[in-house]
Amino acid sequence: NAGVTQTPKFQVLKTGQSMTLQCAQDMNHNSMYWYRQDPGMGLRLIYYSASEGTTDKGEVPNGYNVSRLNKREFSLRLESAAPSQTSVYFCASSEWFGDSKNIQYFGAGTRLSVL
Amino acid sequence: AQSVTQLDSQVPVFEEAPVELRCNYSSSVSVYLFWYVQYPNQGLQLLLKYLSGSTLVKGINGFEAEFNKSQTSFHLRKPSVHISDTAEYFCAVSDPSPGGYQKVTFGTGTKLQVIP
Repeated sequence: NAGVTQTPKFQVLKTGQSMTLQCAQDMNHNSMYWYRQDPGMGLRLIYYSASEGTTDKGEVPNGYNVSRLNKREFSLRLESAAPSQTSVYFCASSEWFGDSKNIQYFGAGTRLSVL
Repeated sequence: AQSVTQLDSQVPVFEEAPVELRCNYSSSVSVYLFWYVQYPNQGLQLLLKYLSGSTLVKGINGFEAEFNKSQTSFHLRKPSVHISDTAEYFCAVSDPSPGGYQKVTFGTGTKLQVIP
């Protein structure tokens, strides 16, 4: 059982380049999330998808777009990368009900550097 | 709106000493509370959760937390820490309303450094 899988694990971009971070979960969860983690700032929510077919902005959505491709997959796209987007990105998923309600399951992260 | 405050950004403690990591929350409704741990270069994983019932919650690796509604706190404790407990710890809160999606809010994290 893989849980939440993120690709790639590492990426270096030049300013202005674009890329897509991929995330897939195999737990049949309804909700999925993208966070960024920067030193001293904890986790900041970029976008989330409460259920398949819906996406909503989080705290720091500027410069990002997302796609909930199906129930399993939720991708994050940087259209024109900027140095301020250098960060560690985490994908997570959760369920609405049952004993696991609202527990978030995280991927291992993508470490992105924008030069 | 709900929020979480972790006042201590770093906590150094000697091996085998006890530790308490503090978490306070604010919410206009009852809450679910969580502690997550993040080991170096890994994602977050659940340490323990409070949904309802007993206010003392036991988690993995010997950690426990106590929900105090009057003080709106959910402090994490361990009576004797090991080197392997060196990690960053995040407190989180969510709304327990039934059904549907509920937002989870994370604190800014506390780095626990266990000194040999």
